[in-house]
Amino acid sequence: KAGVTQTPRYLIKTRGQQVTLSCSPISGHRSVSWYQQTPGQGLQFLFEYFSETQRNKGNFPGRFSGRQFSNSRSEMNVSTLELGDSALYLCASSLGDRGLVAGYTFGSGTRLTVV
Amino acid sequence: QQPVQSPQAVILREGEDAVINCSSSKALYSVHWYRQKHGEAPVFLMILLKGGEQKGHEKISASFNEKKQQSSLYLTASQLSYSGTYFCALWGTTDKLIFGTGTRLQVFP
Repeated sequence: KAGVTQTPRYLIKTRGQQVTLSCSPISGHRSVSWYQQTPGQGLQFLFEYFSETQRNKGNFPGRFSGRQFSNSRSEMNVSTLELGDSALYLCASSLGDRGLVAGYTFGSGTRLTVV
Repeated sequence: QQPVQSPQAVILREGEDAVINCSSSKALYSVHWYRQKHGEAPVFLMILLKGGEQKGHEKISASFNEKKQQSSLYLTASQLSYSGTYFCALWGTTDKLIFGTGTRLQVFP
């Protein structure tokens, strides 16, 4: 079966612009989480969605937002990009609540570079 | 608060064993372990749901000490394919899956 699909794979944006990243979870998975990965900070939790509802949010500024659609696909948006937003953004989906059934399956990520 | 893993890095010869520890300052409900190879996405290894639980598949196993808020990952008779960065990830009172600081493991022939 298809894995978690993230698009685009690579993105270069200019400071001040905004960006939208997309994530298609594994079919049947209703939980989608987003993480930011950088060499210095590791994997940082952004937010989690379950059945179109945001369950929780990490310690990121309001410029970071997301949503989940009825088909479980999710998008995250970053407005007014800063150089420090350059990172690998990972999406993960799980079959059950909180990954209790079989953990989370990650997508390959979107590499965002802000110049 | 981010769980702390130790050691930060491990270098092994094929066939050697390693233990990776993960500690949290907060109460834990469950522990996940993931492995990420360079340039790839993290891959789920296992989840431990109860204090005292131990799990394993093949030569990789883990334990979860709920009272001490710790988990350990055991790699025995390491293989080249075990190389990568290992992360613990904890569900606790914050109701978020928080990843640990990571442990880089390198296995050489």
